[in-house]
Amino acid sequence: DTGVSQNPRHKITKRGQNVTFRCDPISEHNRLYWYRQTLGQGPEFLTYFQNEAQLEKSRLLSDRFSAERPKGSFSTLEIQRTEQGDSAMYLCASSRKQGGNTEAFFGQGTRLTVV
Amino acid sequence: DAKTTQPNSMESNEEEPVHLPCNHSTISGTDYIHWYRQLPSQGPEYVIHGLTSNVNNRMASLAIAEDRKSSTLILHRATLRDAAVYYCILLNFGNEKLTFGTGTRLTIIP
Repeated sequence: DTGVSQNPRHKITKRGQNVTFRCDPISEHNRLYWYRQTLGQGPEFLTYFQNEAQLEKSRLLSDRFSAERPKGSFSTLEIQRTEQGDSAMYLCASSRKQGGNTEAFFGQGTRLTVV
Repeated sequence: DAKTTQPNSMESNEEEPVHLPCNHSTISGTDYIHWYRQLPSQGPEYVIHGLTSNVNNRMASLAIAEDRKSSTLILHRATLRDAAVYYCILLNFGNEKLTFGTGTRLTIIP
């Protein structure tokens, strides 16, 4: 169990550019979640996957955002045409099973700065 | 989604117990009570969870009121490394995403 891994840890990009983040969950965890966190706020839910199926998307996930988990293992979050308001910490989490009787493990996050 | 209410901030002296309260008056019978914490510049970290009975683990204890409308996270002997934002969250089979509020910012005084 090597924990949830996110890459890159930091990304600085110019407004209008596309960025892609990667999340490697704990192996055999079938649930994978993406969150966004801005300074002073709690993490905000973006989307989650059960294996390769994307089950729910937040209204925060505009059409510029897309997430994939093609083989039910790692996941990518892409932001197209970045805006300064996209600057935030993007967090990934994974969990083993369904329901409320489970714990989620978070990665260290990818900090995005749009200049 | 069932909501939780926590104080914005609390302070405690080092090496003393800390009791972090959470109100969840609209909790349903299938909601699990979860606690996570987030240390500075880190992702959230699972602390503990429970359904009806009090729970203990190596990190903390969770005391759940008999009517389940409130709970308390207990850190038995706070250290400086416990300074973090603590989140109380409800989860159930139909609502399986962690919904974070603003949590309680815990400051430990040396």
